[in-house]
Amino acid sequence: DAGVIQSPRHEVTEMGQEVTLRCKPISGHDYLFWYRQTMMRGLELLIYFNNNVPIDDSGMPEDRFSAKMPNASFSTLKIQPSEPRDSAVYFCASSQPGTGLRNEQFFGPGTRLTVL
Amino acid sequence: AQKITQTQPGMFVQEKEAVTLDCTYDTSDQSYGLFWYKQPSSGEMIFLIYQGSYDEQNATEGRYSLNFQKARKSANLVISASQLGDSAMYFCAMREGSRSGNTPLVFGKGTRLSVIA
Repeated sequence: DAGVIQSPRHEVTEMGQEVTLRCKPISGHDYLFWYRQTMMRGLELLIYFNNNVPIDDSGMPEDRFSAKMPNASFSTLKIQPSEPRDSAVYFCASSQPGTGLRNEQFFGPGTRLTVL
Repeated sequence: AQKITQTQPGMFVQEKEAVTLDCTYDTSDQSYGLFWYKQPSSGEMIFLIYQGSYDEQNATEGRYSLNFQKARKSANLVISASQLGDSAMYFCAMREGSRSGNTPLVFGKGTRLSVIA
């Protein structure tokens, strides 16, 4: 089975432009997480979904960030307008149904975003 | 308050030697899970090992073992017989069990391990 798929793998854009990051979770997984990794703050949760419904978006930095999950196989994270401080690696992760603590999160390869 | 603390920004180990990466955590939950992930230079996050708060035995997965000391709230990763391919960032993470559902992980800042030939 394919793992979590993210696109693009690398994105370079100019300040003020709109950026859309995409994620396809593993089939059958009903939890989807967006994380951001920076040198200063490490890995931090932005938002997560269960059955396509956002559960916790308290990690979304500000109104410039938005995330959607229109169906079980696709999610987007949009930044509009982008700023240089948004430069980071953005990870999508998914996990299978269940409430067990042991449920592993499977990470995608990440999207490295550079905002000039 | 920081939930996961990894106090070693960088570690060096000789090939074939064992190395311990430290992780301490903070939670008031009785039920929680602890994870270790490896991030090589290519950037992907690779799950290594899991320890549940109620697990009586320390977790082991091949060359990886977890030294779980509940009273001290520590969950150190031990890598035995280090290999050059073990050079990577290592992240400790926790999931608390007080909320229902498959909750997100909280990560430490990581430790960069370099294996020397």
